[in-house]
Amino acid sequence: QITLKESGPTLVKPTQTLTLTCTVSGFSLSTSGVGVGWIRQPPGKALEWLALIYWDDDERYSPSLKTRLTITKDTSRNQVVLTMTNMDPVDTATYYCVHRRGYGAYDFDYWGQGTLVTVSS
Amino acid sequence: QSALTQPPSVSGSPGQSVTISCTGTSSEFRFYNRVSWYQQVPGTAPKLMIYEVSNRPSGVPDRFSGSKSGNTASLTISGLQAEDEADYYCNLYTTNTFWVFGGGTKLTVL
Repeated sequence: QITLKESGPTLVKPTQTLTLTCTVSGFSLSTSGVGVGWIRQPPGKALEWLALIYWDDDERYSPSLKTRLTITKDTSRNQVVLTMTNMDPVDTATYYCVHRRGYGAYDFDYWGQGTLVTVSS
Repeated sequence: QSALTQPPSVSGSPGQSVTISCTGTSSEFRFYNRVSWYQQVPGTAPKLMIYEVSNRPSGVPDRFSGSKSGNTASLTISGLQAEDEADYYCNLYTTNTFWVFGGGTKLTVL
């Protein structure tokens, strides 16, 4: 059974760097075709895709946030980490970790429960 | 950046059918089947309902169907049930912008 669980700070100050960790189970991050990404949702607003990393360490980033994001993975620890620099109150959102459905797929079949991050001084 | 436009809200009575549209500007919308739909019940994580325009993951009722014509994709829910009340998001993958979501549509079951 595939599960994903997000962890990280619930409160960050403006200008700080956010680091979120997604711990996965039920699959290996090194299996061909695997992709794990991050999607966020500000309160009351729409979903926004942020980044994704593939089994072969290839990375994809939202063009509008590319300069602020870094996604990495630690296969031995079954973790995917997202860092976002220069946080701003508009970055307040629930951040979801997601699993790409499979090789060649362009959708996400498993989602974590999400973690709410508030940016405030 | 490719934008996806959805109606803010739709509604229907139990047993009726409703259709949610998703219109895109990218040429890739027209030529590829990289459209998916997600259902989000308030307070919970989104759930994949349709992938590759018209395919249902295991466990999704066949009341949910998807289609595409030109630059518009559609999600149709037939035989509406109270449990279908949720927000619905379309998503498109393109080679330039990767994954882009629509603004979401709130479905109200009257």
